[in-house]
Amino acid sequence: DQQVKQNSPSLSVQEGRISILNCDYTNSMFDYFLWYKKYPAEGPTFLISISSIKDKNEDGRFTVFLNKSAKHLSLHIVPSQPGDSAVYFCAASAERSGGSTLGRLYFGRGTQLTVWP
Amino acid sequence: GAGVSQSPSNKVTEKGKDVELRCDPISGHTALYWYRQSLGQGLEFLIYFQGNSAPDKSGLPSDRFSAERTGGSVSTLTIQRTQQEDSAVYLCASSLTRGNEKLFFGSGTQLSVL
Repeated sequence: DQQVKQNSPSLSVQEGRISILNCDYTNSMFDYFLWYKKYPAEGPTFLISISSIKDKNEDGRFTVFLNKSAKHLSLHIVPSQPGDSAVYFCAASAERSGGSTLGRLYFGRGTQLTVWP
Repeated sequence: GAGVSQSPSNKVTEKGKDVELRCDPISGHTALYWYRQSLGQGLEFLIYFQGNSAPDKSGLPSDRFSAERTGGSVSTLTIQRTQQEDSAVYLCASSLTRGNEKLFFGSGTQLSVL
């Protein structure tokens, strides 16, 4: 049962343009959301997060938007750079609401982003 | 070390053999997690250790899988009588405290069961 869904397995964007990666979730108890980036042969690395009390969090070129009513979040990368090419995983947790196993993150299947020059 | 260390980086084994995968978390991190990623799939939670508490084993797919964490540091994931469907990248992660979702991942062990 996939509680976190990334329905686009791949995305291709030209350098300098905006990349928008989408994520949907089904568990209304999720209250903390994260994005991880993964390069080949490396483990995922934390990128940005957002708490359910916010609807936007920005960190440099990366912005995450949360729409709780739609159970949807998105990651915007502006401007996109070739070094951003990686697999991006969306993850969710219900730690603070006590709605799931403590400490457990639920991950989507990932979206492969390719930024071409 | 500076990051989460996993060994071996690659493991090829024959169906029916047992394998052990090792994880050395970041020093001082009390929480340790095992995930696996099968081809084309997301990260699947396996097991979680927090300090001296009983581990959360709810993600282990069968009783062939077990894990231990000795002295609150190094962890070993053991798969007995491996099957071809066990082939995946096994990722270990640690975090500073329980409830800190910013996990630091190792590079993983690519397990191939022939």
